[in-house]
Amino acid sequence: EVQVVESGGGLVQPGGSLRLSCAASGFDFNTYDMHWVRQVTGNGLEWVSAIGTASDTYYSGSVKGRFTISRENAKNSVYLQMNSLTAGDTAVYYCVGQYSGGPGWDDYGLGVWGRGTTVTVSS
Amino acid sequence: QSVLTQPPSVSAAPGQKVTISCSGSSSNIGNRYVSWYQQLPGTAPKLLIYDSNKRPSGIPDRFSGSKSGTSASLGITGLQTGDEADYFCGTWDTSLSGVVFGGGTKLTVL
Repeated sequence: EVQVVESGGGLVQPGGSLRLSCAASGFDFNTYDMHWVRQVTGNGLEWVSAIGTASDTYYSGSVKGRFTISRENAKNSVYLQMNSLTAGDTAVYYCVGQYSGGPGWDDYGLGVWGRGTTVTVSS
Repeated sequence: QSVLTQPPSVSAAPGQKVTISCSGSSSNIGNRYVSWYQQLPGTAPKLLIYDSNKRPSGIPDRFSGSKSGTSASLGITGLQTGDEADYFCGTWDTSLSGVVFGGGTKLTVL
């Protein structure tokens, strides 16, 4: 079964740190770009970060300098290190896989979504 | 404020057809493929359309996508109550170097 499973969410105080993990299975992880997308309950989707098969990284303006995405192909895993957290980072965080079969980041769409892990930043 | 613009809601009767629009710019939709995602209540989003008009395996042909210039559309025919969900468009933005989404459209099947 093709799936990604997130872990590591929880309650953290403002200014604190949290590391999210995502374990992939059922597909060739080495050929997938990986993303983190978050969603505040009742709101829309917000893209957070992406890492390509060559470990090139991209960040949204709202998290750049605070979050770091990484991947470990030997473990079929991707991580999101989140520092200097604020209440505005409170959301469900989805790990998403995108097949990297085309020349651009728009090819094939975000095809493999996890169930999400909840991050709550509050004192 | 989302980079891509979608209507907040649309509605139609069972069996009818509905179209959801998604408007962007030359730095995203104008030069990139568009994807569409369906989010049923309480679940994670699911890829519905990719490369502007292609359906992943298992997605019924009642769902279709199109793109023209800096706008894209999702069409759903033969509406069913089970289609009630939030629908999001998304693509890559070359100016922002990141994925951008529309604000989402809530579909109600009356």
